[in-house]
Amino acid sequence: GAGVSQSPSNKVTEKGKDVELRCDPISGHTALYWYRQSLGQGLEFLIYFQGNSAPDKSGLPSDRFSAERTGGSVSTLTIQRTQQEDSAVYLCASSSIAGKEQFFGPGTRLTVL
Amino acid sequence: AQKITQTQPGMFVQEKEAVTLDCTYDTSDQSYGLFWYKQPSSGEMIFLIYQGSYDEQNATEGRYSLNFQKARKSANLVISASQLGDSAMYFCAMREALLLNTGNQFYFGTGTSLTVIP
Repeated sequence: GAGVSQSPSNKVTEKGKDVELRCDPISGHTALYWYRQSLGQGLEFLIYFQGNSAPDKSGLPSDRFSAERTGGSVSTLTIQRTQQEDSAVYLCASSSIAGKEQFFGPGTRLTVL
Repeated sequence: AQKITQTQPGMFVQEKEAVTLDCTYDTSDQSYGLFWYKQPSSGEMIFLIYQGSYDEQNATEGRYSLNFQKARKSANLVISASQLGDSAMYFCAMREALLLNTGNQFYFGTGTSLTVIP
């Protein structure tokens, strides 16, 4: 498919465990974004990558959150020592540098018990 | 200050009527883009319409139009002839510094929940 894909679609974990969420952007898109959306809330910006530039991490809520993007393509968002308040849908989006809009993936629903 | 403000947490509209969803933005850039996204209960984010800051005409996409008032920094979404399938969350967003291609961060509002009544 040509769209943004994310895996897993659902993740249930126990408090204190680490989780990794994966995003495959649209091929050729240089910008990649991670957002968090809690139930009934808007999108909370977490981090974005633009080409080979240093990522903008200003939205990461704590040092338990980190993300990397390998080879300018796939990105992994890692949450260490998960807490119940981390439960949310994590959305990934990509954009071409000259693109007019972001294309969103289907999201990963994370539930921390 | 909030970059994007959506002051209507919830809206109701009668089927086949038109509805306006409000959005105001804050930027000092001259070149920026404004977007509206729809998020149905299924969760996916669907791009609806785009307005560039230098576009002289209001953007239109089928039943969607964007009422762009640059001096007021508002970018309201108008949905004409509402349908039951329009019931969803609607998010306004902005991307700054388009011409320089350096501004790639998108700012989202808190959303408006639209319910279409049969």
